[in-house]
Amino acid sequence: DMKVTQMPRYLIKRMGENVLLECGQDMSHETMYWYRQDPGLGLQLIYISYDVDSNSEGDIPKGYRVSRKKREHFSLILDSAKTNQTSVYFCASSPPRLANYAEQFFGPGTRLTVL
Amino acid sequence: AQKVTQTQTSISVVEKTTVTMDCVYETRDSSYFLFWYKQTASGEIVFLIRQDSYKKENATVGHYSLNFQKPKSSIGLIITATQIEDSAVYFCAMREGSNYNVLYFGSGTKLTVEP
Repeated sequence: DMKVTQMPRYLIKRMGENVLLECGQDMSHETMYWYRQDPGLGLQLIYISYDVDSNSEGDIPKGYRVSRKKREHFSLILDSAKTNQTSVYFCASSPPRLANYAEQFFGPGTRLTVL
Repeated sequence: AQKVTQTQTSISVVEKTTVTMDCVYETRDSSYFLFWYKQTASGEIVFLIRQDSYKKENATVGHYSLNFQKPKSSIGLIITATQIEDSAVYFCAMREGSNYNVLYFGSGTKLTVEP
């Protein structure tokens, strides 16, 4: 079953606290992503991971870092969270170029509130 | 500049009618993929349908079909016999052959299907 999972689904933190969002996939996809989505807006790319320990900044990486130590897991870390990081965060994974399908698979999202 | 543009912010239709959502894209690549995703009220993002740039036939999946007009860089989504449960936000996206790992999203069109 092709699936992307995210934990936790909901999280409330205080400003200045550290935040860890976790993502897993069972498709052995090399490429994984973290996006954030704010009300009324589309998806903004935070980071791309091309494989274990091979990560690249997306469009809005400031205030975030990522970790990928296993192909199936990709973590998003907020060191000292800020109120403007309140958002819904989506993880996604993508098949390799030679696969017979090209769509990204998305996790269910994590709703983060920073008070 | 936006690579994928959806100009319709919201559309409202009556159940069982046909709706078309517009999307235009910008690329210099000769090979690219175009996608439509649906985001439900629960926040789940689901892949609907895909068009490969080299294919002349419009893709069709269930009651979703595409109107691919390559000279106009346009990829419209057509939903026939709309149902209440089609109410959602629909995102258009593009992946270029030269930059395969990046998926460019439009800002989304909110569809409301009324009884």
